[in-house]
Amino acid sequence: DAKTTQPNSMESNEEEPVHLPCNHSTISGTDYIHWYRQLPSQGPEYVIHGLTSNVNNRMASLAIAEDRKSSTLILHRATLRDAAVYYCILKPMYSGGGADGLTFGKGTHLIIQP
Amino acid sequence: GAVVSQHPSRVICKSGTSVKIECRSLDFQATTMFWYRQFPKQSLMLMATSNEGSKATYEQGVEKDKFLINHASLTLSTLTVTSAHPEDSSFYICSARDWGNQPQHFGDGTRLSIL
Repeated sequence: DAKTTQPNSMESNEEEPVHLPCNHSTISGTDYIHWYRQLPSQGPEYVIHGLTSNVNNRMASLAIAEDRKSSTLILHRATLRDAAVYYCILKPMYSGGGADGLTFGKGTHLIIQP
Repeated sequence: GAVVSQHPSRVICKSGTSVKIECRSLDFQATTMFWYRQFPKQSLMLMATSNEGSKATYEQGVEKDKFLINHASLTLSTLTVTSAHPEDSSFYICSARDWGNQPQHFGDGTRLSIL
């Protein structure tokens, strides 16, 4: 499976934008880029996903490099509730049998300072 | 939308007890459900994948006779930890998706403590 690399932790101030990077240099042409986040003592929460084009939703934006070897999750205005571990995960477009689950790495621990 | 409910949220029981955890998709039909386990300060590890009406597919190293999974309907999957021991203490999390490449939606997890 293609792997992702993320910084262990990042710190930002409340109400400022946050850019969370993810490297995935071995990504294949049919891998989607998914982002999830996990707040303390909770299950993960879906944030956003994309394939080639940049994506926006109510939670965040996803900027995907032209060569798709990296991507950046953008939180436009961080709040204290955005403090969580953010996971960047590659998911094949086509999968079957037992290959459909998500492979979580260590993620980035985002700390928000008031 | 896309709410997954997991119950119970916390279980504390004696060694040798069997524990059942329920995972329900409340507002969508989940053709596939997943069970993960997370030890303290570690990331989630996939245990098994289950499709409605079929036998679950277990990841390597996960004992299928110890972790019984039932996915009898499109909205309910259960994980039973049989004869639980202290080393089974962990945070168990389910997720569900309806079809294809849709995102997975996670429950809030069950913290299992075996004394």
